[in-house]
Amino acid sequence: ETGVTQTPRHLVMGMTNKKSLKCEQHLGHNAMYWYKQSAKKPLELMFVYNFKEQTENNSVPSRFSPECPNSSHLFLHLHTLQPEDSALYLCASSQDRSTDTQYFGPGTRLTVL
Amino acid sequence: GEDVEQSLFLSVREGDSSVINCTYTDSSSTYLYWYKQEPGAGLQLLTYIFSNMDMKQDQRLTVLLNKKDKHLSLRIADTQTGDSAIYFCASRSGGSYIPTFGRGTSLIVHP
Repeated sequence: ETGVTQTPRHLVMGMTNKKSLKCEQHLGHNAMYWYKQSAKKPLELMFVYNFKEQTENNSVPSRFSPECPNSSHLFLHLHTLQPEDSALYLCASSQDRSTDTQYFGPGTRLTVL
Repeated sequence: GEDVEQSLFLSVREGDSSVINCTYTDSSSTYLYWYKQEPGAGLQLLTYIFSNMDMKQDQRLTVLLNKKDKHLSLRIADTQTGDSAIYFCASRSGGSYIPTFGRGTSLIVHP
């Protein structure tokens, strides 16, 4: 247990569906991250939030919409996804943006049909 | 930008030592990490080393850093079947808060 939880662990959705991924950290951290992990590709950073403010959007398509209502929770809202968006979506947190160590959640395995 | 390279696969016999290698390009990398990912799970931080260190040991794990060659290695002593996983190397410079990850090395431990 890293102190970072993600729900759901698995999600299957159609291209016209709208769904949300949730991440919660119990570490008192102030920075939270969304990563995408696809087969045979390096880990891709998607979004960074620091003290609830989005500080990084790594050219992510608008069909992915992050939300950070407080420092402990991070959401990724999904709509009209494509099959190539199927991947493992990992959430991570760190004490703050400048601190070295990121702690990862278990991920949500997303399949888009 | 920064690039981190790892070999994709390593196969070892149970009880032997495993050595996973990593090279990075950014000479200003200050923090270097090793993460472990088991099937169906997220990344678990195993250990990290600061660039002003040559070596760090933690139980069965030994990290060696050759800063001149920008080479990092992770040695696992007495490798067990439970060590089978993907191991990610990552580096971060002092001026960036985002680490750069390698593609991961799949460690396969066979009896």
